[in-house]
Amino acid sequence: RKEVEQDPGPFNVPEGATVAFNCTYSNSASQSFFWYRQDCRKEPKLLMSVYSSGNEDGRFTAQLNRASQYISLLIRDSKLSDSATYLCVVNRGQAGTALIFGKGTTLSVSS
Amino acid sequence: NAGVTQTPKFQVLKTGQSMTLQCAQDMNHNSMYWYRQDPGMGLRLIYYSASEGTTDKGEVPNGYNVSRLNKREFSLRLESAAPSQTSVYFCASSEARGGPRPQHFGDGTRLSIL
Repeated sequence: RKEVEQDPGPFNVPEGATVAFNCTYSNSASQSFFWYRQDCRKEPKLLMSVYSSGNEDGRFTAQLNRASQYISLLIRDSKLSDSATYLCVVNRGQAGTALIFGKGTTLSVSS
Repeated sequence: NAGVTQTPKFQVLKTGQSMTLQCAQDMNHNSMYWYRQDPGMGLRLIYYSASEGTTDKGEVPNGYNVSRLNKREFSLRLESAAPSQTSVYFCASSEARGGPRPQHFGDGTRLSIL
């Protein structure tokens, strides 16, 4: 099992749609979880941290299921500007600071 | 706010040449990282420095060396460049206290080796 796995997509959705991305991770000792966004040929940027109880930031909702080692990102009311690659990120076990990046899921929102 | 600054932004080298990629952060972060990103491969960690004075190998360290010059600066050196090292290189930094924290990235160095 790969350390962090994501469906690469692409997900092609119309404006206003709701879309969900999933991610699984292999190391049960991982403690920190993030979603990053990366635009074409740009640097990754933190979208949101993922907390055990689930958390929301505007149109974005992140969920964590430690038992299943599964993370999700839900985007509501998609905008054209949401088009990007979304990276699932997990720390490398216990308190290690090194992060493992998934290969990303590509989202394309069209008008 | 500069954040993480990488230089150069673009570079073309010939096989066998050497060069150093520079990275500096102004966020007073303890930890710094070097990644490479290739199509279909995602971000792969080359080396990291958990704190000033320490460096550790990541997933793909072969062919690279690093120096944590001080708390602000973390450089990546290619001693003898090879075409397989053609990639986009990202430097990142994070605060280390309190466990793993989000990393903040520079805008990358696009390196081509002919």
